[in-house]
Amino acid sequence: GQNIDQPTEMTATEGAIVQINCTYQTSGFNGLFWYQQHAGEAPTFLSYNVLDGLEEKGRFSSFLSRSKGYSYLLLKELQMKDSASYLCAVMDSNYQLIWGAGTKLIIKP
Amino acid sequence: KAGVTQTPRYLIKTRGQQVTLSCSPISGHRSVSWYQQTPGQGLQFLFEYFSETQRNKGNFPGRFSGRQFSNSRSEMNVSTLELGDSALYLCASSLGQGDTDTQYFGPGTRLTVL
Repeated sequence: GQNIDQPTEMTATEGAIVQINCTYQTSGFNGLFWYQQHAGEAPTFLSYNVLDGLEEKGRFSSFLSRSKGYSYLLLKELQMKDSASYLCAVMDSNYQLIWGAGTKLIIKP
Repeated sequence: KAGVTQTPRYLIKTRGQQVTLSCSPISGHRSVSWYQQTPGQGLQFLFEYFSETQRNKGNFPGRFSGRQFSNSRSEMNVSTLELGDSALYLCASSLGQGDTDTQYFGPGTRLTVL
């Protein structure tokens, strides 16, 4: 079967750095997405990786290793507004998105 | 460009009833995907429509159905509602053109079944 694993919850301090991991086992691979979802709101797109390596976008970076079936989302200079759930999703060989259950990130002052 | 819109935003129904939810995609987007989200369960894929045809389908019972119109607007129908159908229903639109296709979500319809 297809599977996406992420930690359920993480806590970090304002101003610090946090890394949210995602491991996947899917039927084929056509890219990995990260989304942010604030409580009661819709998910919003953060990043897309299809090749190995690090993609940096402001305070957020996303890394992919296809051989290890592994990705992480790195958030720097954490702000209170970064408190949200972070969803990892992989596009499989049928171009269907397989979603992880999400990681709830709690930022403390 | 206007984002994805969903109507209604909130809905309360009773068991056994049916419900129809609507989604209008971003202009130019031809793919609409529907998801069910419940606390702790993540996004569960229902189905995807592209150019009025169902292109992918998740593992939901036949009570869940959908369609897409020629203007790419989509509707989702749930018949014979059960208590477990209470959830946030999200639709997402995209260009529908393969591996770099990013999905953009609407605000969702929160369905409560009593």
